[in-house]
Amino acid sequence: QQQVKQSPQSLIVQKGGISIINCAYENTAFDYFPWYQQFPGKGPALLIAIRPDVSEKKEGRFTISFNKSAKQFSLHIMDSQPGDSATYFCAATIFGNEKLTFGTGTRLTIIP
Amino acid sequence: GAVVSQHPSWVICKSGTSVKIECRSLDFQATTMFWYRQFPKQSLMLMATSNEGSKATYEQGVEKDKFLINHASLTLSTLTVTSAHPEDSSFYICSAGGSTSGLFSYEQYFGPGTRLTVT
Repeated sequence: QQQVKQSPQSLIVQKGGISIINCAYENTAFDYFPWYQQFPGKGPALLIAIRPDVSEKKEGRFTISFNKSAKQFSLHIMDSQPGDSATYFCAATIFGNEKLTFGTGTRLTIIP
Repeated sequence: GAVVSQHPSWVICKSGTSVKIECRSLDFQATTMFWYRQFPKQSLMLMATSNEGSKATYEQGVEKDKFLINHASLTLSTLTVTSAHPEDSSFYICSAGGSTSGLFSYEQYFGPGTRLTVT
């Protein structure tokens, strides 16, 4: 079954704190895991992505942690800022398929 | 690079009329384009996948005759909502994938979305 489960549904973090969003997948054939950021009324924008051959990828304040054996991956936003307030979607896909399977989304709010 | 545009950004139409939404890849050739539908506070639901020059592949439950997709060139795909009804009101988003700089890319680049309201 090609599902991606995402939690939490909503998250409130204080400015400067760490925001953590988790995703779990079932299909072991997935081999590309992107995260998307979406602001209200806009399309999703690719934030960061990881392949299963590495356990962590960092780009600026954004880090993906990947646990292949547990079939889980998470997004960490360090030093969270009010401008990070958005909805975040994890996704997964299979090489050659191109179809993305999206998580249900997490609405992140950063409070001052 | 990798910019996808959509037109219009929002549209209001009367029940029973048809609406066409354009999706363009501005700086790369999109061998594949995807059309999604998103309801408020929900995730993206894939409606169909289109490859240039061939018929679109629709997801289960999506009416082919209602949501007509045409991918006439490597930079343009269109979604036509025929005989629109209020329940078709939604946020429609396209994405484009394919080669950039001649290299295969997993990445999909999303358009800004089109808000359709059917009255």
